[in-house]
Amino acid sequence: EDQVTQSPEALRLQEGESSSLNCSYTVSGLRGLFWYRQDPGKGPEFLFTLYSAGEEKEKERLKATLTKKESFLHITAPKPEDSATYLCAVQARGAQKLVFGQGTRLTINP
Amino acid sequence: DTEVTQTPKHLVMGMTNKKSLKCEQHMGHRAMYWYKQKAKKPPELMFVYSYEKLSINESVPSRFSPECPNSSLLNLHLHALQPEDSALYLCASSPGTSNEKLFFGSGTQLSVL
Repeated sequence: EDQVTQSPEALRLQEGESSSLNCSYTVSGLRGLFWYRQDPGKGPEFLFTLYSAGEEKEKERLKATLTKKESFLHITAPKPEDSATYLCAVQARGAQKLVFGQGTRLTINP
Repeated sequence: DTEVTQTPKHLVMGMTNKKSLKCEQHMGHRAMYWYKQKAKKPPELMFVYSYEKLSINESVPSRFSPECPNSSLLNLHLHALQPEDSALYLCASSPGTSNEKLFFGSGTQLSVL
């Protein structure tokens, strides 16, 4: 069974304090790993798709990396507006369904 | 237009009511999705429509009835819901049927009394 585990569940940082969120996964042949950001009361917003180990993608203060077992979302010099829940999801080859992790609730204090 | 629009934003209904949730996208996307999300939990897939045909039903109770009248519209008809069905209902769309990138609406916050 495909599984996604995110850690930590919650993370509180000071503005400017860089850190990383972890997404560990087991999947029967990875088609893609996705990162989404979700603000309270809103739908998730797409951030990145990673397809193969060694791949990296960046957007502003965020950088996502992928290995054969896990993905990291690195946040460099975060700002309060980066506060959100970050969701990781995987899609197996041949499957249409995404399997989501439980998310990491990130709070950036000014 | 890069938005998925959901109406209403909030809905309160009794267990004997019939109501409908609506979702619209004008991005030419060929797949549309309904997800259910409880507080502090990830979204759970309910239904997928590909090219206006139901392709996935995740064993959802029959009190939830999806409908895709055309390629831009997706409805979720609700009847005889239970209080445990209270949740945020999210609609999403994707350009193809391979889930490359989901565009989510802001959701309908549903309360069943």
